[in-house]
Amino acid sequence: NAGVTQTPKFRVLKTGQSMTLLCAQDMNHEYMYWYRQDPGMGLRLIHYSVGEGTTAKGEVPDGYNVSRLKKQNFLLGLESAAPSQTSVYFCASSRPGTRSDTQYFGPGTRLTVL
Amino acid sequence: AQKVTQAQTEISVVEKEDVTLDCVYETRDTTYYLFWYKQPPSGELVFLIRRNSFDEQNEISGRYSWNFQKSTSSFNFTITASQVVDSAVYFCALSEADMRFGAGTRLTVKP
Repeated sequence: NAGVTQTPKFRVLKTGQSMTLLCAQDMNHEYMYWYRQDPGMGLRLIHYSVGEGTTAKGEVPDGYNVSRLKKQNFLLGLESAAPSQTSVYFCASSRPGTRSDTQYFGPGTRLTVL
Repeated sequence: AQKVTQAQTEISVVEKEDVTLDCVYETRDTTYYLFWYKQPPSGELVFLIRRNSFDEQNEISGRYSWNFQKSTSSFNFTITASQVVDSAVYFCALSEADMRFGAGTRLTVKP
């Protein structure tokens, strides 16, 4: 099992460009999440999904969109990147049940917006 | 609102010392879960422990131990006989519905 994978690992964007980050999990987890990690702030939840076709906003959703077309994939989109979105992005997944279950994380994507 | 405070930003110890990482949380719920994750220099997040609010038993796993005290809203993590490989950022997290992370404590273990 690969667990949770993320592509790409690194990306540099110019302000105003768009991109999509892909998260995939092979653990048959129902719930998936996108976080951003900034220095001194821990991880903050951007969006999450409790099942295929459903998404919801987290703590810091502005400037991001997500889609969950397939159970194993969760996409995070930046329509018009801004320097404030420079961060490390982590995807996570957890078993069916509640969002309080243990979350398993991908390796992260380091995004720089110039 | 839920909140997690890790007051220690950075800790530096010498190998074989014991070290305790503090975690204090705030929540209005009676049912919640607490977690510790480790982020080594390679960057991935490694799950260490999950504890529910009804289980105040201390947990020991090898050199790691966790002390959960509801009375003080704390969930502290102790590493006994620290090793260089323990150098990492450690995150405490609280989950009622959403997971909220503390800012992390960077532990450096020097040889």
